[in-house]
Amino acid sequence: NAGVIQTPRHKVTGKGQEATLWCEPISGHSAVFWYRQTIVQGLEFLTYFRNQAPIDDSGMPKERFSAQMPNQSHSTLKIQSTQPQDSAVYLCASSSGTVEQYFGPGTRLTVL
Amino acid sequence: GDSVTQTEGQVTVSESKSLIINCTYSATSIGYPNLFWYVRYPGEGLQLLLKVITAGQKGSSRGFEATYNKEATSFHLQKASVQESDSAVYYCALSPHYNQGKLIFGQGTKLSIKP
Repeated sequence: NAGVIQTPRHKVTGKGQEATLWCEPISGHSAVFWYRQTIVQGLEFLTYFRNQAPIDDSGMPKERFSAQMPNQSHSTLKIQSTQPQDSAVYLCASSSGTVEQYFGPGTRLTVL
Repeated sequence: GDSVTQTEGQVTVSESKSLIINCTYSATSIGYPNLFWYVRYPGEGLQLLLKVITAGQKGSSRGFEATYNKEATSFHLQKASVQESDSAVYYCALSPHYNQGKLIFGQGTKLSIKP
């Protein structure tokens, strides 16, 4: 079992560019979660899907951020017109439906 | 809204001594939240250390334990005798009763062990 896979591990974008982050959940897991970690804000919940359906996006910034789960094997987090304040480690987690979430290694996004 | 507070950003403990990392929570919804401790060892991803989903119960793993105290709204992490391999960042978290998918994390406590 490879665990949750996140690609790329590091991404550098220029201000105003688009960034797409990928997450492959553990095979058979029905739920996918996205979190963001910064020094100032800590670990923040963004959004989650269950059986590919969006369940809760209460943590997503209202503008420029979107998440999708087109099939059970991957989810994407897209940030349009990236800004320096979007720089963070973005974490994806998956769950089989129990309370335990398994986290990926994260994608470090740096916006110059 | 719901929140988790860890008052110590960094803790240093001598090897073989006891440890306590403080965690308090605030849950505004009806019903008791699920409580967790996650850990990030150097160079590794975030992983679950222990969980308690019933108020009043104790969880334990790898020599660590935490008791869900609903009166004090606390979930402190304790270990009787720490080892160098326990050096890591520890995060307390809750999932609200009404939304058991979402995790709300504390700021984390970095534990360093003095040999």
